Amino acid sequence: DVKVTQSSRYLVKRTGEKVFLECVQDMDHENMFWYRQDPGLGLRLIYFSYDVKMKEKGDIPEGYSVSREKKERFSLILESASTNQTSMYLCASSSPQGSVGKLFFGSGTQLSVL
Amino acid sequence: DQQVKQNSPSLSVQEGRISILNCDYTNSMFDYFLWYKKYPAEGPTFLISISSIKDKNEDGRFTVFLNKSAKHLSLHIVPSQPGDSAVYFCAASRSSNTGKLIFGQGTTLQVKP
Repeated sequence: DVKVTQSSRYLVKRTGEKVFLECVQDMDHENMFWYRQDPGLGLRLIYFSYDVKMKEKGDIPEGYSVSREKKERFSLILESASTNQTSMYLCASSSPQGSVGKLFFGSGTQLSVL
Repeated sequence: DQQVKQNSPSLSVQEGRISILNCDYTNSMFDYFLWYKKYPAEGPTFLISISSIKDKNEDGRFTVFLNKSAKHLSLHIVPSQPGDSAVYFCAASRSSNTGKLIFGQGTTLQVKP
């Protein structure tokens, strides 16, 4: 089974803190994604990566950055956390050889910024 | 600018009956559509998909219908079971952007025993 592991289930941070969300996948997938899920808005793409050291902005990249130094690991960074970044963050991976659009998601990190 | 819309936040059906979840999209460049299912405290899991060259795809109890002229798709679950209670997200993609999906807001389905 594909496993996508997110390092924390719950996180509470203060406004202005630098926050790291880590994601690791064990299926040698080239593609990795960060989404956030908010009530009434569904899932929105923040950043994605199709290869090591490669990144592309999604639909809502403002206030975020990412890092992909190794194929299996994709990190989301909040440079200076703000209250409007309180959300459920979901990491996903996929293979370009797999079915179109078939993503494998982690269980999510619920981040609260106070 | 919501390109993929699920206008019903929730749906409640009786066990054994049909569940119909609806989704509308605005971008005619989308050519691949998917449904994901999400239980609480878990990530979404892929359920079923359909290419724009088809109008129907079936997988067991789940069938997705696509009406391109209306830019509308629907997911039918027959018969519905209590274990189907979850949040369902529709998503759309341009096949050239594998994995880059645009999701709807989600519909919470409750199947009552």
